[in-house]
Amino acid sequence: EVQLVQSGAEVKKPGESLKISCKTSGYSFTNYWIAWVRQMPGKGLEWMGIIYPDDSDTRYGPSFQGQVTISADKSISTAYLQWSSLKASDSAMYYCARPGLGGFDTWGQGTLVTVSS
Amino acid sequence: DIQMTQSPSSLSASVGDRLTITCRASQGIDNYLTWYQQKPGKVPKVLIYAASTLQSGVPSRFSGSGSGTDFTLTISSLQPEDVATYYCQKYNSAPWTFGQGTKVEIK
Repeated sequence: EVQLVQSGAEVKKPGESLKISCKTSGYSFTNYWIAWVRQMPGKGLEWMGIIYPDDSDTRYGPSFQGQVTISADKSISTAYLQWSSLKASDSAMYYCARPGLGGFDTWGQGTLVTVSS
Repeated sequence: DIQMTQSPSSLSASVGDRLTITCRASQGIDNYLTWYQQKPGKVPKVLIYAASTLQSGVPSRFSGSGSGTDFTLTISSLQPEDVATYYCQKYNSAPWTFGQGTKVEIK
């Protein structure tokens, strides 16, 4: 069974750094893209970016380029999303997701990030 | 980048009604379009991919059509469990942009 298990909820202060994870299992990690999707409270889905773990080819959405870093560790089949300096506006639910036949057919359970002073 | 515009942003209908949600791409995307359903507090779920292919396990009252720039999601007979927000998403090339969503409620 394909599974994406995300790290737990985080509460951070503005200016702090953060790295959240998405541990995968049940398939060949290096053969599928993995994406990150943001959902701010009460708002829609936003495509942040995507990585191909085999060669770390990474693409970012225009609103997220330079704001976050997506990475992957092939040795432990895990993808990451990180911030170097959080802002209050980064407060959101973050999902990792894996493409299937079309779009994302497998999703992590989500990681809630709260940034507040 | 290609923009995805959904309409309407919300709608209220009665059980048994036929609903149509539209999604327009600012440039042609062939049939590289997925429709998702997201219920409150839940992870999105694929309903339709490749514009018109029903995902395994999805009820047949859901259908999709379109190609190029104009797409539709149809619910042939609205059920109480269909209360959710529906999103389209392009996936022909990065960025895989989502539409802004359509919230469906029961009247």
